[in-house]
Amino acid sequence: NAGVTQTPKFQVLKTGQSMTLQCAQDMNHEYMSWYRQDPGMGLRLIHYSVGAGITDQGEVPNGYNVSRSTTEDFPLRLLSAAPSQTSVYFCASSTTSGRAWSYNEQFFGPGTRLTVL
Amino acid sequence: AQTVTQSQPEMSVQEAETVTLSCTYDTSESDYYLFWYKQPPSRQMILVIRQEAYKQQNATENRFSVNFQKAAKSFSLKISDSQLGDAAMYFCAYRHNNNDMRFGAGTRLTVKP
Repeated sequence: NAGVTQTPKFQVLKTGQSMTLQCAQDMNHEYMSWYRQDPGMGLRLIHYSVGAGITDQGEVPNGYNVSRSTTEDFPLRLLSAAPSQTSVYFCASSTTSGRAWSYNEQFFGPGTRLTVL
Repeated sequence: AQTVTQSQPEMSVQEAETVTLSCTYDTSESDYYLFWYKQPPSRQMILVIRQEAYKQQNATENRFSVNFQKAAKSFSLKISDSQLGDAAMYFCAYRHNNNDMRFGAGTRLTVKP
């Protein structure tokens, strides 16, 4: 199993450009999520999905769009990049099986470092 | 809103010694979950240990254990017999349900040989 993969690893954008961060998992996990990590702030949840066709907002959703057309993929779109979106982005996934699946381990991808100039 | 506070930005420990990392959180919920994640220089987030709030018994995973004090809303991580490979950022995290997970700002642990 490759686990959770993210592409690209690094990206530099100019203000106003758009791009999509890719995330894929091969563990057949229902739950997938996107976080951003800023210096001194830990990780913050951007968007999440509990299955194909279902997405919802997390703590910091503004400026980002997501869709979930398949179980495996959960892309994150920046429609008009801003310098405030300079960050490291992590995708994570977990199963939803079990009584208390919020307790299930989340598996993280290696991250994408995004710089917006 | 739930917040997670890690009051120690940096900690250091001598190899083979024991170190405790602090974490407090704020919540009005009675049922929730707590986690410690490790992030080495590779940037990969790795689950170290987790605790269900309704369980009074402290979780243990090999050299890693927690001191969970529900009334005090405290969830500290103890690393015994520290190894050079334990050097990393450690993040405490809180989760109430499927749509949220809150992380602390992290503690950078240095292990001295």
